[in-house]
Amino acid sequence: TQLLEQSPQFLSIQEGENLTVYCNSSSVFSSLQWYRQEPGEGPVLLVTVVTGGEVKKLKRLTFQFGDARKDSSLHITAAQPGDTGLYLCAGARGQGGKLIFGQGTELSVKP
Amino acid sequence: GAVVSQHPSWVICKSGTSVKIECRSLDFQATTMFWYRQFPKQSLMLMATSNEGSKATYEQGVEKDKFLINHASLTLSTLTVTSAHPEDSSFYICSASITRGSGEQYFGPGTRLTVT
Repeated sequence: TQLLEQSPQFLSIQEGENLTVYCNSSSVFSSLQWYRQEPGEGPVLLVTVVTGGEVKKLKRLTFQFGDARKDSSLHITAAQPGDTGLYLCAGARGQGGKLIFGQGTELSVKP
Repeated sequence: GAVVSQHPSWVICKSGTSVKIECRSLDFQATTMFWYRQFPKQSLMLMATSNEGSKATYEQGVEKDKFLINHASLTLSTLTVTSAHPEDSSFYICSASITRGSGEQYFGPGTRLTVT
C-alpha cells in the first residue's frame, strides 16, 4: 500500500511549458518535503512545508500544502531543460522523523 | 550548510565479501541518520533508522544481520553489507536530520554498489 501517491510518474514536456506534480495521501503529515534528484546523486531538498494551506515559492517553482496537510503540489512555470530530474515528495509522520516517499516524478524538459 | 558526505561514491566487490559505506554530516551534528536503497528509476526505500549510541531500527523485510549499521558519533554512521551477493547491487543513500522528528533530512550523494 502506497501511503503517498505521486503523479504523474513520468512527464516529458517542451521548454517553456508549465507543469504540476501532485502528492496525495489519506494520512495527515506533520510536514512535507520536496526533493529533486539527478542521476547518480542524492536528493536535494527544495522546500519544507509545515502549515496547512501554506504556499512557498522558489523562483519558478511553487509549492503548496493542502489545508488538511494530506496533499501537496509542485507547480513549475516556464520549465527549462535544467529542471530535468526526478522530483520526490516525502511526508513526515510521528516523532522519529521518518519520511514516507512518493513514487517520484521523472521530468524531462526538451529544448 | 547541512552537507552530508558518503564514502565511497562507488564500489565493486566480489560475491561473498563485505563492504562498508560511511556517511558523515560535515557541518552539523545529526540526531538521526537514515539509510535508503534505490533501484533505477524508482523512489527511495528506507532500510533503517539510526540514532547515535543506540541500535538501529530496521524496516520490515530488511535483514539486520546482513546490513549492519553502526552509529558511532553524532557525525558518522556506517552501513556494512555483509556477504554481498549480486542482488545487493544497488544505489545506497544516507541522510541525516538536525532536529529529531522534524522530518527534514539532508541526503548524501549516494554509493553505487556493484557485486560481481
